[in-house]
Amino acid sequence: NAGVMQNPRHLVRRRGQEARLRCSPMKGHSHVYWYRQLPEEGLKFMVYLQKENIIDESGMPKERFSAEFPKEGPSILRIQQVVRGDSAAYFCASSPRDSTDTQYFGPGTRLTVL
Amino acid sequence: QKEVEQNSGPLSVPEGAIASLNCTYSDRGSQSFFWYRQYSGKSPELIMFIYSNGDKEDGRFTAQLNKASQYVSLLIRDSQPSDSATYLCAVEGTYKYIFGTGTRLKVLA
Repeated sequence: NAGVMQNPRHLVRRRGQEARLRCSPMKGHSHVYWYRQLPEEGLKFMVYLQKENIIDESGMPKERFSAEFPKEGPSILRIQQVVRGDSAAYFCASSPRDSTDTQYFGPGTRLTVL
Repeated sequence: QKEVEQNSGPLSVPEGAIASLNCTYSDRGSQSFFWYRQYSGKSPELIMFIYSNGDKEDGRFTAQLNKASQYVSLLIRDSQPSDSATYLCAVEGTYKYIFGTGTRLKVLA
């Protein structure tokens, strides 16, 4: 009974490159949430997705960031033209039904931008 | 104005003592409240959730909710050094959890 899976666990990119973060929700979960945690700060909501739909992206920066959760395969958070300020831990969480359900977190992807 | 507030700490307690962690929130309509524990460099791990006013106990942990005062707390009895971590309070918002910045707890052996 695998939990939420994220890969890669660590990602190093140079400024201007693209970062692609993947999240596979727990079995039976169809709701995915992405959060970002800057060093010494709390978790900040970025985006909430169901299969093939973005439900709430109010926490996503308007430029360079995008997310998807296709019918088949994992959810992907894409950051284009990364900058040093994008360095953070990115956590994915999933829940079985909707956003009122308990969210379970993956191990996170730690992005470092050189 | 922050929507979920926690004292950042560190809160230091001796081993075996009760640790009391507090959280206030601004949205009166919030219905669900969660406590997560996060060890350094790790992901948040759910400890407890609470929906109703009053106390909810699970082992050494007790969550307390007072919706009138917009206040939720976590008590850890018989604190152990392994409880040393950052404790995140989360409040259900529309489509998302809103997290406090966390309270760092240190249990001294």
